[in-house]
Amino acid sequence: DTAVSQTPKYLVTQMGNDKSIKCEQNLGHDTMYWYKQDSKKFLKIMFSYNNKELIINETVPNRFSPKSPDKAHLNLHINSLELGDSAVYFCASSQDDGLAGGGETQYFGPGTRLLVL
Amino acid sequence: AQSVTQLGSHVSVSEGALVLLRCNYSSSVPPYLFWYVQYPNQGLQLLLKYTSAATLVKGINGFEAEFKKSETSFHLTKPSAHMSDAAEYFCAVTLGNQFYFGTGTSLTVIP
Repeated sequence: DTAVSQTPKYLVTQMGNDKSIKCEQNLGHDTMYWYKQDSKKFLKIMFSYNNKELIINETVPNRFSPKSPDKAHLNLHINSLELGDSAVYFCASSQDDGLAGGGETQYFGPGTRLLVL
Repeated sequence: AQSVTQLGSHVSVSEGALVLLRCNYSSSVPPYLFWYVQYPNQGLQLLLKYTSAATLVKGINGFEAEFKKSETSFHLTKPSAHMSDAAEYFCAVTLGNQFYFGTGTSLTVIP
């Protein structure tokens, strides 16, 4: 009965590879997010989707492409992985409209630890 | 511009002592403010949030925070630290279409 789940939990891969991280939420929320946490624990929002539509797209390389097949899933595909992509990636969801103006709580997944060698 | 600043990237307290983690925000209008906790190798969990109701907000695990508009602060406190409180704490603010986290404060509890 996990609220927000991510797979895989750990991902070790070589530079240049393409990989995907999957996220699913069973909270019935309309909005999902991807965050990147670097080695200094700094959290930065990458994307926000509301009902399968992109709402927030921060300045991230276009090698990162989110895909939302339905409002319960938001996957993150990364092409041509680079060393600097090594980080922990968190998925989150909330019940608001994705514009973060309503003060709704975001619920986070356990994170995916990506290491690019 | 909207941002949140956490003073002190590392805070150490003795078990049973007061915990005080500082957060200041910059905003021209009242924001929504949050404190999240991240235990080792886990995701973030909401401790409490301020949404313009009571200025003193009580959260889980005995934590509370007070919104002070005059000081643009939302400091997190707990009267008595427990070993299980050792974690990373993040202040966050939302306004309009942006959601910002602070840089985090790592709390160490000394037995």
